[in-house]
Amino acid sequence: GAVVSQHPSWVICKSGTSVKIECRSLDFQATTMFWYRQFPKQSLMLMATSNEGSKATYEQGVEKDKFLINHASLTLSTLTVTSAHPEDSSFYICSVPREAGGPLYNEQFFGPGTRLTVL
Amino acid sequence: GEDVEQSLFLSVREGDSSVINCTYTDSSSTYLYWYKQEPGAGLQLLTYIFSNMDMKQDQRLTVLLNKKDKHLSLRIADTQTGDSAIYFCAESYGREKLTFGTGTRLTIIP
Repeated sequence: GAVVSQHPSWVICKSGTSVKIECRSLDFQATTMFWYRQFPKQSLMLMATSNEGSKATYEQGVEKDKFLINHASLTLSTLTVTSAHPEDSSFYICSVPREAGGPLYNEQFFGPGTRLTVL
Repeated sequence: GEDVEQSLFLSVREGDSSVINCTYTDSSSTYLYWYKQEPGAGLQLLTYIFSNMDMKQDQRLTVLLNKKDKHLSLRIADTQTGDSAIYFCAESYGREKLTFGTGTRLTIIP
């Protein structure tokens, strides 16, 4: 399967600061990437779809001004949590979908995640 | 909207079979998946089943789908310590978005 990396793997920041999380597709070019948020003992919740060269598509209830997504190249998407607060503390995971076609066309390859703790 | 539910915890003795269950509400799902999440690692696709199938077997893994009851299960035969992880079922309908279940934490008892 494809290799997806995230950086950093964990970050601790003060309330009010901004944090940038990178997601890289190492094996193939990705026009689309997904950003998820996972709370302890809860499922992954899709936050937004990152589209290369265009605006991200946000899920209902996700503040686009707070969670800035930039997909500047076919291998890199970044999620910036602006003016972070303790309630933003969570595990953020990105994924890269297999391109369309074939029986596994909906398979997604996941990054290892970034744990954000806001003090 | 879609809703996918799982039991949060399952404990199984090493060597026994593990059965992880999942129920979903979206009857238009085309694919159903099982993902495994180990600490510090990304989610890994274990197996998937197309919605017109009843069963799929892949080595130690057996997936059963009851479309009428919207029930999906994953059976792991001869459970090993390396199977300890959180298992997520997920569903999709002809699109790239996945809806995940709440996850089941599988603990292996020596």
